[in-house]
Amino acid sequence: SQTIHQWPATLVQPVGSPLSLECTVEGTSNPNLYWYRQAAGRGLQLLFYSIGIDQISSEVPQNLSASRPQDRQFILSSKKLLLSDSGFYLCAWSPGQFSNQPQHFGDGTRLSIL
Amino acid sequence: GDSVTQMEGPVTLSEEAFLTINCTYTATGYPSLFWYVQYPGEGLQLLLKATKADDKGSNKGFEATYRKETTSFHLEKGSVQVSDSAVYFCALSDPPGNQFYFGTGTSLTVIP
Repeated sequence: SQTIHQWPATLVQPVGSPLSLECTVEGTSNPNLYWYRQAAGRGLQLLFYSIGIDQISSEVPQNLSASRPQDRQFILSSKKLLLSDSGFYLCAWSPGQFSNQPQHFGDGTRLSIL
Repeated sequence: GDSVTQMEGPVTLSEEAFLTINCTYTATGYPSLFWYVQYPGEGLQLLLKATKADDKGSNKGFEATYRKETTSFHLEKGSVQVSDSAVYFCALSDPPGNQFYFGTGTSLTVIP
């Protein structure tokens, strides 16, 4: 069966520091991968999605970036964090294109910026 | 473009009450529809799904029917429990681009 792993679970970082959040999927190949952010008490904001290695679309301009160095690995990065980057970050995967299957989510990373 | 509209919360119910959370959608193609549940501090879990008109998704006592004529996918449960307290998200997937669209979420609190 397919599983998705996301780490770390919680992270406290100072303003201006770099960021790297990692997400890996097991048990499937060529998945679509997604990064979302969820502010406290709010809905989901799609940040990036990827349909293949090095194929990444950005939904919201910001100081975050994403990379997909391997088929089942998706990384969210920043060179300099802002206070507004605080939130709950969720990685998700779904089967490739032309599918009506749902997205499956990781457990999330709670990021606090001090 | 595609979109999902979900009833505003928060919703507070007494245990064993009937639950309805409204969800309507706009789609250009033939979408699949989903309900997700998010417990505090956790990721989203798929609750149920329906892939074509008149399909009924069900899980853990929750049900939702894909109504193409009213473009709706309302979530219902006949008797809620305290453990159902969570945030519920309606979502659609519209192939072939496999774009996903989420509603804003509805917070449910069930009191004993």
